[in-house]
Amino acid sequence: EPEVTQTPSHQVTQMGQEVILRCVPISNHLYFYWYRQILGQKVEFLVSFYNNEISEKSEIFDDQFSVERPDGSNFTLKIRSTKLEDSAMYFCASAYRGNTEAFFGQGTRLTVV
Amino acid sequence: GQQVMQIPQYQHVQEGEDFTTYCNSSTTLSNIQWYKQRPGGHPVFLIQLVKSGEVKKQKRLTFQFGEAKKNSSLHITATQTTDVGTYFCVENTGTASKLTFGTGTRLQVTL
Repeated sequence: EPEVTQTPSHQVTQMGQEVILRCVPISNHLYFYWYRQILGQKVEFLVSFYNNEISEKSEIFDDQFSVERPDGSNFTLKIRSTKLEDSAMYFCASAYRGNTEAFFGQGTRLTVV
Repeated sequence: GQQVMQIPQYQHVQEGEDFTTYCNSSTTLSNIQWYKQRPGGHPVFLIQLVKSGEVKKQKRLTFQFGEAKKNSSLHITATQTTDVGTYFCVENTGTASKLTFGTGTRLQVTL
């Protein structure tokens, strides 16, 4: 069964460093999303991406964040100058159409120290 | 911003008991999806409801969409330990570019 894959599964970074979280969505999907979940809390929307551009972003997704689909298969989330409060589980998801089920990856646990 | 509230936040049941979680929005929803997240896992799609008053069943799970499309519920009959996890209702906006997760209900089932 096709699945969304995310790498790495866990990343520890120093405060102020840049991190890149990687995702490989399901190959024929057109909509891509990044979410984050602070331990045990709500799943928060960050950004959606369609047709090679950002469709929508939340207030969390400020200039510190950026997304890219560099090569037609990978979908990356870059966090510049990480802060302690960026520590969370980051989930990538993809969907064939916007109104259909979204498939989530296993997540990347980011720990900022 | 848009917030989809779920109640209860947490429920602990004995195996075999029923469980219901409710999802409420302040606005009319275009459609609603339900996801389950096992402890330490990722959200997994369960179902999508689109029509006013729609009821769908998956084995022991019954999903309902309110007539006014402002609320939804998930009912599990005769819970099992495999039902443990957090259940999220998720609004898919009309633009189809954003999934707004509800606050979630964490279900614990013990023998």
